[in-house]
Amino acid sequence: QSELTQPPSASGTPGQRVTISCSGGSSNIGTNTVNWYNQLPGMAPKLLIYSNSQRPSAVPDRFSGSKSGTSASLAITGLQSEDEADYYCAAWDDSLSGWVFGGGTKLTVL
Amino acid sequence: QVQLVESGGGLVKPGGSLRLSCAASSFNFKAYYMSWIRQAPGKGLEWLSYISPSGTTIFYADSVKGRLTVSRDNANNSLFLHLDSLRAGDTAVYYCARGGIAVPGAAAFDIWGQGTMVTVSS
Repeated sequence: QSELTQPPSASGTPGQRVTISCSGGSSNIGTNTVNWYNQLPGMAPKLLIYSNSQRPSAVPDRFSGSKSGTSASLAITGLQSEDEADYYCAAWDDSLSGWVFGGGTKLTVL
Repeated sequence: QVQLVESGGGLVKPGGSLRLSCAASSFNFKAYYMSWIRQAPGKGLEWLSYISPSGTTIFYADSVKGRLTVSRDNANNSLFLHLDSLRAGDTAVYYCARGGIAVPGAAAFDIWGQGTMVTVSS
C-alpha cells in the first residue's frame, strides 16, 4: 500500500483537460514539496513537475501542478495521444526519512 | 549528455544476492545525492535508498533494511547496490536516479537510468 494515494486510472479525449489527484499526510505532502513523474510504456520515469508546480524546461506548459494542505494535483490541458502514460506523485516523508510514491495513475487518451 | 546507465541485472536464485552498478556521465557526480528505486512488473515505483554525495549518509526503506547495501565510488562516477537474501518479491526493474545537492528531500529525481531487470526465480 502506497503512502500517497492516487486514482488508479484517468481518461480524457484529445484537447480535454484532465486532473490527477495525490493525497498524503502531514509528514509528507503536508510538510514537503511534491514532484510528479510520467512513465511511457517500457520507458524509465521522467520528471514532469518539481517543487509542487515547477516545470523542467523541456516539459510543455500544458502540464501544471498544485498543492494544498496534504493533497496535490497534476493538470494536463490540451490532452494529446502522446500523454498516454502512467503518472506518479512523490514526496519526502519526514517520519520515514525517505521518499514515498503514489501508486500511479494510468492515463488513457480516448 | 547527462546520463545514468545501470548494469548487473539478470536471473538470480532465491536466497542469492545481486550487485548492480550505475555509471554516471557528464555531470559532477560527487556533488549529488543518488537513489535506487525499483518497479515490480506491472506495479508502481518503490524508493529503496539514498546515499549522500560523500557516501557517509545512507538511508534505506524499511522494506529492504538489513538486506540492502548501497555505496558509491566518486572517483569513478559509480553507484552500487548490493541486495542479499533475494526472494521472488525482489523481482523488479531497478533504477538509479539523481537527486539534489542539498538535503536529500529537497530535490526531485531529475535524471533516471534506463533500468536493469532483476528476476528472482529458481
